[in-house]
Amino acid sequence: DQQVKQNSPSLSVQEGRISILNCDYTNSMFDYFLWYKKYPAEGPTFLISISSIKDKNEDGRFTVFLNKSAKHLSLHIVPSQPGDSAVYFCAASASQAGTALIFGKGTTLSVSS
Amino acid sequence: DSGVTQTPKHLITATGQRVTLRCSPRSGDLSVYWYQQSLDQGLQFLIQYYNGEERAKGNILERFSAQQFPDLHSELNLSSLELGDSALYFCASSVADSYGYTFGSGTRLTVV
Repeated sequence: DQQVKQNSPSLSVQEGRISILNCDYTNSMFDYFLWYKKYPAEGPTFLISISSIKDKNEDGRFTVFLNKSAKHLSLHIVPSQPGDSAVYFCAASASQAGTALIFGKGTTLSVSS
Repeated sequence: DSGVTQTPKHLITATGQRVTLRCSPRSGDLSVYWYQQSLDQGLQFLIQYYNGEERAKGNILERFSAQQFPDLHSELNLSSLELGDSALYFCASSVADSYGYTFGSGTRLTVV
């Protein structure tokens, strides 16, 4: 049973436009959410995170939105750049239970110039 | 360089064999996590060690085992290998139980 779901395997966007990557979760105990970016032949690298006490967190071109009632979060990249082309993983954790991060299957973002 | 070192980078072995994957965590990190990424699958959590002791277990098969040594490096042992064990195996480390996971570049295991 997948607790973290990224239903779009891929997304193509033009340079300069907005990229929106979506993630749904099922476990109501999750209270901390993260996005990781992964380039080929490299390990995932941390991008941005959000606690369940917030509904938005922004870091430069990257913004994560959390909708707890819908158990949904999204990552917005504005403006998108060709260097953003990578696989993006959504991850979640139930900090009270001290669980390890649970990852989704990832979304491959392609930004064309 | 993330500071997390995984060796070897590539490994090809036959079914039924046993292999050992090694991970050296980032300096100062006490927690080590192992993840498996199979084709079209996300990162599946296998096991976590904290300062030498097992802290949490995920979807780890009984044929797989791990340990963390006094110098904090960790090894993942995979035995009686099957074709389906072919995957990327990632190690990550963090300070205590923080969420600042730093991943290594992975070991690509191919079972033929």
